[in-house]
Amino acid sequence: DGGITQSPKYLFRKEGQNVTLSCEQNLNHDAMYWYRQDPGQGLRLIYYSQIVNDFQKGDIAEGYSVSREKKESFPLTVTSAQKNPTAFYLCASSTYSGNTIYFGEGSWLTVV
Amino acid sequence: AQTVTQSQPEMSVQEAETVTLSCTYDTSESDYYLFWYKQPPSRQMILVIRQEAYKQQNATENRFSVNFQKAAKSFSLKISDSQLGDAAMYFCAYRSRHGSQGNLIFGKGTKLSVKP
Repeated sequence: DGGITQSPKYLFRKEGQNVTLSCEQNLNHDAMYWYRQDPGQGLRLIYYSQIVNDFQKGDIAEGYSVSREKKESFPLTVTSAQKNPTAFYLCASSTYSGNTIYFGEGSWLTVV
Repeated sequence: AQTVTQSQPEMSVQEAETVTLSCTYDTSESDYYLFWYKQPPSRQMILVIRQEAYKQQNATENRFSVNFQKAAKSFSLKISDSQLGDAAMYFCAYRSRHGSQGNLIFGKGTKLSVKP
């Protein structure tokens, strides 16, 4: 089935550790996005990538890093510099200027 | 910069009744998309309906329809014959048609409860 796969579904991080969230899509989409969702909030954009080997900061990029070495993959690393990383993270993809953005099922990250 | 505002943090509707969720947005662009997404407790983001700004006709998907007022920058969602499964968070979102600005901008959401 075509879609977006995020893993892991649940992740626990100790303070000071970096963790990486995986996002893979087989929709042949050019653009991919990472959003963060906190309780009572809408989604806020962390990073996005329109083409391979290129990405742009979103509204809340501090403490995060990404790479886009392959069209189908857009992993997000939550670094130790992110002071409040506990949140729900959603990956999404779309065609370059298409009329729909599709979402993965999300990943929960908790700092312990 | 574009912004999206949902002024109703929570709404409630009786099963089988109709409810309207409000959304306003601010943009200087003339060509864009507007969306309503549903987020049930599973947290999966589900596309409910989309509207292309150049189309004057309001979009409709089964029990879901929108009232798109471009001049007023208003984009409300009407849910007819509400069902228990409609209970969820609903997010209004904006997307530019310019490829370099392709990310979605979300409102803060409206929590919809459906009473049996």
